[in-house]
Amino acid sequence: AAGVIQSPRHLIKEKRETATLKCYPIPRHDTVYWYQQGPGQDPQFLISFYEKMQSDKGSIPDRFSAQQFSDYHSELNMSSLELGDSALYFCASSYGTPRRSYEQYFGPGTRLTVT
Amino acid sequence: SQQGEEDPQALSIQEGENATMNCSYKTSINNLQWYRQNSGRGLVHLILIRSNEREKHSGRLRVTLDTSKKSSSLLITASRAADTASYFCASSDYGQNFVFGPGTRLSVLP
Repeated sequence: AAGVIQSPRHLIKEKRETATLKCYPIPRHDTVYWYQQGPGQDPQFLISFYEKMQSDKGSIPDRFSAQQFSDYHSELNMSSLELGDSALYFCASSYGTPRRSYEQYFGPGTRLTVT
Repeated sequence: SQQGEEDPQALSIQEGENATMNCSYKTSINNLQWYRQNSGRGLVHLILIRSNEREKHSGRLRVTLDTSKKSSSLLITASRAADTASYFCASSDYGQNFVFGPGTRLSVLP
């Protein structure tokens, strides 16, 4: 079965550079979520989109932005990268209207290393 | 805001034994989900339990939910070395996003 695809899987950037992470949800899923997981930390919710509109916002820094496109894929744009941005970034997708309990399926993650 | 917390943070057992991990949360939830994560890898969905359910089974997994105590437990029976991973609970209120707990690192020794 198709799963959530994230690209790239690994990314190395220098401080103050920008990075773009991509997420392709499971076919027919209309909701995308982004999570950040620092080393040894639990995943922290960043932002989510439903039907191409921002649905919910968590602890996403102002230096980050994201959007969901017409084909439902999503991109997380990160600017002025800091060392503390080094983490595993997960995308998850689900199907259904907001505020309903649907399972979220996670991608393999993008490991971002900022040097 | 709600926060999931698992205990124990680390658990080592022998193959064949049962492993129980607990999770607590702070506010009302719509559902709670358990995930497994191998070191540095993605999160694999294990089981979802809704707020009106008390117990759910899936293979060797058994999840309970006690909304009066705001807690959940994940029981893995007859553990195997391949069950070695970190296990997270993630609670969802009537919004969409999850709040993850710190995870329990389970080591199953052969």
